[in-house]
Amino acid sequence: GAGVSQSPSNKVTEKGKDVELRCDPISGHTALYWYRQSLGQGLEFLIYFQGNSAPDKSGLPSDRFSAERTGGSVSTLTIQRTQQEDSAVYLCASSLEPDAGSTGELFFGEGSRLTVL
Amino acid sequence: KQEVTQIPAALSVPEGENLVLNCSFTDSAIYNLQWFRQDPGKGLTSLLLIQSSQREQTSGRLNASLDKSSGRSTLYIAASQPGDSATYLCAVGTSYGKLTFGQGTILTVHP
Repeated sequence: GAGVSQSPSNKVTEKGKDVELRCDPISGHTALYWYRQSLGQGLEFLIYFQGNSAPDKSGLPSDRFSAERTGGSVSTLTIQRTQQEDSAVYLCASSLEPDAGSTGELFFGEGSRLTVL
Repeated sequence: KQEVTQIPAALSVPEGENLVLNCSFTDSAIYNLQWFRQDPGKGLTSLLLIQSSQREQTSGRLNASLDKSSGRSTLYIAASQPGDSATYLCAVGTSYGKLTFGQGTILTVHP
């Protein structure tokens, strides 16, 4: 696609339910990143994918959070047993792998706004 | 651990002014530095990217500089317009693209 696409754009859920957030990166981008943006915390890195593997998942806040990427393309971020503190905007970004031929510039989607009641 | 600080946190200026937004980072071992713009309720739009070997980048009325040794970057906006009102975010990148963000500067340009 022309840009990074995320769905849903808005999700309201009840505490304790599981949610899945989807990211469709720019075609051909091998690197994919998930970030979380919440009031007072700014933008926090969650996880990085290179292809289907996740060499850096150091930002996942707890074992309730997981992510996968299939076919080197679409990624899903899953939050189990949601808590109110999970309420935030979850942003996905993609890029070409930084190397001599690429600047490594990140392109972001519009985000998925999650509200946990 | 890399930490990124942006000053000022908020800035309000009349239309037409030239302005400077500041960004500092604690670890100079960066791969690149990226400036973004975020409008309310929207995602991030990339404005400028400076590689660690570069000193500055320009795009239209925007100019970003990088002094890696001192851990500083500035974003210069010339002849500001009301449409420039947004939050501006500075982020430093690792070799595999992971970004560490500052808290942002909220810019308001009033007519």
